[in-house]
Amino acid sequence: QVQLVESGGGLVKPEGSLRLSCSASGFTFSDYYMSWIRQAPGKGLEWVSYMSSGGSTIYYADSVKGRFTISRDNAKNSLYLQMNNLRADDTAIYYCARESGTGYSSLWGQGTLVTVSS
Amino acid sequence: QLVLTQSPSASASLGASVKLTCTLSSGRSSYAIAWHQQQPEKGPRFLMKLNSDGSHIKGDGIPDRFSGSSSGAERYLTISSLQSEDEADYYCQTWGTGFRVFGGGTKLTVL
Repeated sequence: QVQLVESGGGLVKPEGSLRLSCSASGFTFSDYYMSWIRQAPGKGLEWVSYMSSGGSTIYYADSVKGRFTISRDNAKNSLYLQMNNLRADDTAIYYCARESGTGYSSLWGQGTLVTVSS
Repeated sequence: QLVLTQSPSASASLGASVKLTCTLSSGRSSYAIAWHQQQPEKGPRFLMKLNSDGSHIKGDGIPDRFSGSSSGAERYLTISSLQSEDEADYYCQTWGTGFRVFGGGTKLTVL
């Protein structure tokens, strides 16, 4: 069925690194822009990054610019988020989302929890 | 800077209707938005894309009880015949080249 499944979350120390993965199924992954969105505990949704279908266009939120890197492997139907120099305020559930042709999130994964703590 | 403003909370009785509001910041009244629902302990779910003229496209399987409308910079989500499973957080989202923005969310309580 049509779905997104995130993985790779966990507990990491401040200044550490983590790589999240998002596996897509049930649709032609290479046709879609994809994004990462996070939600800190008890807080609202915060957009993190998006990437075009072919990977040539990438944008980041100011809060993660220079520390996070989005990438994708269309042959593997997978989206990634490399997170470096993690801080306590990066603690959140990270969702990957498929975007519509115009830019809104039209399909969400179930999320993976990242906890940054010493 | 584009900002989406939502009331933090709303409540309505089982079987009644409720109208949630998302307000676009000044000068942005032409922007479309999307509405998303997040039930407790779950990931968000796309409900609909809502244009400035009130036309909307719903996600797969979204019941007819959910509808959208627009007036100026306001975007509305109306839920009729409220059910217990409608108790959730509702977020609006807008977008442009280089950015995606979410409102702060409205927590809907079904009494």
